[in-house]
Amino acid sequence: ELKVEQNPLFLSMQEGKNYTIYCNYSTTSDRLYWYRQDPGKSLESLFVLLSNGAVKQEGRLMASLDTKARLSTLHITAAVHDLSATYFCAVDTVVNTGNQFYFGTGTSLTVIP
Amino acid sequence: EPEVTQTPSHQVTQMGQEVILRCVPISNHLYFYWYRQILGQKVEFLVSFYNNEISEKSEIFDDQFSVERPDGSNFTLKIRSTKLEDSAMYFCASSEYVGYNTEAFFGQGTRLTVV
Repeated sequence: ELKVEQNPLFLSMQEGKNYTIYCNYSTTSDRLYWYRQDPGKSLESLFVLLSNGAVKQEGRLMASLDTKARLSTLHITAAVHDLSATYFCAVDTVVNTGNQFYFGTGTSLTVIP
Repeated sequence: EPEVTQTPSHQVTQMGQEVILRCVPISNHLYFYWYRQILGQKVEFLVSFYNNEISEKSEIFDDQFSVERPDGSNFTLKIRSTKLEDSAMYFCASSEYVGYNTEAFFGQGTRLTVV
């Protein structure tokens, strides 16, 4: 069974600091997604990484993908309180019947003023 | 921008009752999915649906669950006799086609509380 593992599961960091969330997966998928989820809310798509070496940045978040290592990172630069949320990575497998997503366990991020 | 919409946003039901969760996928999409997230846990795949039939389903999707596309726009998930452990956020998703150049879009979710 395809596995997607994230670490850390919980992250508490001070405003202004940098940190990286890691996502390892067990399949040869070339596509990796990062989502943000606020408590009780839906999944907000942050990044779609489509190839080895892909790097995308939006504001204080930057995501990268290394398909050979089956590793993606989500780097947070100069964290602010508004980034507090749970972050999920996901990979999908493509079969002729659809794209099936496998989600990581999530990283609950708390940014402390 | 087109989006997947789900209704209701929150449903409270008594144990043993039937519930129907509704989703309106993006209009030109052909593949539909339901996912579940128990509070504090990861999002889990339930079922995928294409061409008016189930194409894949997980172990979670047992005989208590069914899906239907009753008309050209709605996609529903029915839980026949709800249990306490069915309490979760249920997400609908849709994609236009399959392949490495397509993306699935998620709805805002329905929070189901079974009491």
